Amino acid sequence: SAVISQKPSRDICQRGTSLTIQCQVDSQVTMMFWYRQQPGQSLTLIATANQGSEATYESGFVIDKFPISRPNLTFSTLTVSNMSPEDSSIYLCSGDPGRGREAFFGQGTRLTVV
Amino acid sequence: DAKTTQPPSMDCAEGRAANLPCNHSTISGNEYVYWYRQIHSQGPQYIIHGLKNNETNEMASLIITEDRKSSTLILPHATLRDTAVYYCIVRPHNAGNMLTFGGGTRLMVKP
Repeated sequence: SAVISQKPSRDICQRGTSLTIQCQVDSQVTMMFWYRQQPGQSLTLIATANQGSEATYESGFVIDKFPISRPNLTFSTLTVSNMSPEDSSIYLCSGDPGRGREAFFGQGTRLTVV
Repeated sequence: DAKTTQPPSMDCAEGRAANLPCNHSTISGNEYVYWYRQIHSQGPQYIIHGLKNNETNEMASLIITEDRKSSTLILPHATLRDTAVYYCIVRPHNAGNMLTFGGGTRLMVKP
């Protein structure tokens, strides 16, 4: 099955700064997804990233706060902007290989905002 | 996507079968039952999925009731490495792999 390399695996950031998380897939995927997992909680979908079009955001998430890039079929980035302690979470990317195959996930980025 | 209900936690003795239940009483005809698990500090991992027939693979078995309103994931011989949060998700097949995660069941396998 496909593999996603997600970087960084963890980071501690100052409030007010931004962090860009990268996901590199070892094969082409049509859609990629970004999730947030707050401490002790389940995963919540942030947005869907398609190549060549703007990302589609779920209710409660906006582009100014979580800009996403999808320059090609194997790569995507999520930026967490103007961070506050409430943004401390695990952020995960996921790929859709299509053709009825199941989604696969990166290992996550554990973000702590101080 | 239909809503699922799972017990928040379960314990299982190592080497015994782990039976994880899931209720999905509002499932519609074109929706499949998917199971993923998340081992601590890792991304979710696909386990198995099914529509109405029982399914088995190298990881687990999935038993779906005849009315499709509930299902059970079975890990036949649980090991300590099976300790994880198990998520039951209901969604149409080939509908795009955005997943709606519920609370899941935290399975603790004990020696």
